[in-house]
Amino acid sequence: QVQLQQSGAELAKPGSSVKISCKASGYTFTSYDISWIKQTTGQGLEYIGYINTGSGGTYYNEKFKGKATLTVDKSSSTAFMQLSSLTPEDTAVYYCAREGPLPGYVMDAWGQGASVTVSS
Amino acid sequence: NIVMTQSPKSMSISVGDRVTMNCKASQNVGNNIAWYQQKPGQSPKLLIYYASNRYTGVPDRFTGGGYGTDFTLTINSVQAEDAAFYYCQRIYNSPPTFGGGTKLELK
Repeated sequence: QVQLQQSGAELAKPGSSVKISCKASGYTFTSYDISWIKQTTGQGLEYIGYINTGSGGTYYNEKFKGKATLTVDKSSSTAFMQLSSLTPEDTAVYYCAREGPLPGYVMDAWGQGASVTVSS
Repeated sequence: NIVMTQSPKSMSISVGDRVTMNCKASQNVGNNIAWYQQKPGQSPKLLIYYASNRYTGVPDRFTGGGYGTDFTLTINSVQAEDAAFYYCQRIYNSPPTFGGGTKLELK
């Protein structure tokens, strides 16, 4: 079955970076884009962007440009999101999700989430 | 960006009741809406796409409706396992945006 397995919780200091992974299994990795979504209690769900797992092409929500960098390693069927220059406002649960096979940002499988806490 | 507004923010329902929750878009989005269910401690799960299409494996007590700016998610004969947050999402245009969610509690 389709599974997205994310890396574990991160505790980071302000100004540092973290890199979250999302390992896919149960389907052909390069046939579907991977999206990333931020969830906080205050702001709810926010769409960060997606990566085309075949070409490596990316789209970023304007709000997250410069904050998030999406990459992919096809050999291991893993997508990554690096968050840089962390501030307490980056404290959240971050999800990866598969887009498709329905077009248009319909996310039919989600990872379990990775908690990022930014604190000095 | 198009703003998605969900109402009510929370509702308390008895098992077996019928419940309808709402999602309003700030602009016409056609049928480009998806609904997700998120139970405590879990990730969201796709329920409905393109406003009224039930995703594979979703029980037929879940029904989506609406077009343009006003959308609904109806659960017929609510079950105990339906206690969750429900989110609408505008799809198809960038960036996709989510509503603030409706919390469904069981009495």
